[in-house]
Amino acid sequence: GAGVSQSPSNKVTEKGKDVELRCDPISGHTALYWYRQSLGQGLEFLIYFQGNSAPDKSGLPSDRFSAERTGGSVSTLTIQRTQQEDSAVYLCASSSLGGANTGELFFGEGSRLTVL
Amino acid sequence: QQPVQSPQAVILREGEDAVINCSSSKALYSVHWYRQKHGEAPVFLMILLKGGEQKGHEKISASFNEKKQQSSLYLTASQLSYSGTYFCGTVSVAGTSYGKLTFGQGTILTVHP
Repeated sequence: GAGVSQSPSNKVTEKGKDVELRCDPISGHTALYWYRQSLGQGLEFLIYFQGNSAPDKSGLPSDRFSAERTGGSVSTLTIQRTQQEDSAVYLCASSSLGGANTGELFFGEGSRLTVL
Repeated sequence: QQPVQSPQAVILREGEDAVINCSSSKALYSVHWYRQKHGEAPVFLMILLKGGEQKGHEKISASFNEKKQQSSLYLTASQLSYSGTYFCGTVSVAGTSYGKLTFGQGTILTVHP
C-alpha cells in the first residue's frame, strides 16, 4: 500500500512569495502531523489534525503559516510571504490513532523548501 | 515544551552499548522513539505508555519512568546499521497539549567498525 506522500519534494522560491505544501496521508489515518526540520536540527512541531480539526495550532511560527485538512484526508500547509528563515524540510506524518493514544507515525519523505 | 535528550551525540565501536535519555517537565502519557538516517524520514522504533513498562525491538529496548517523566533507550551490542539520529517524542497527559507529539532535539549515534 502507499505510504504518506508529500509534494513538491523540492521547492525553491523567492522571498515574499507564497508556497503551498501538500500531504496525502495513508488512507484511513485519522491523525495528521506537520513538523519542520531545519538543517541538522530536531523535529519542530507545527500543527496536528484529528480528522479535519486542528486541536493544537500552537506550533505555527507566525500568522504567515496556515494549514487545513479536508475530507479527513489531504492536508495543505501554506506559507505566505516566505522569509529566508522558513527554509527547511517540512515533514508530514499520519497515524491511525490520535489524541492521547497517538500511535506509530508514518512519515513522508518531506518537502524541502529553499527561500532565496 | 519539548523533551530534553542527552547526550547530544554518541560515538561507538561495533558491539558496544549505549543509553540515550529523554526527560520532560510535563506529566506524560506516552513516550515515542524514532530513528532517522541521513537524508531519510524518521522511522518508528517503539511506544511506551505510562505504567513503567519496558519494551524491546531487536537489541534496542526502552524504559519509561512516569514518576520522573523520564525515558531511556538502550542499544546493546550496537551494529553499524544503528547509526543515525534518535528522537524521543512525548505526549502529555492533558490540557492544551492533549495529543500533541513533541520531539526532542535528537541524539546523533555513530557506530564505527
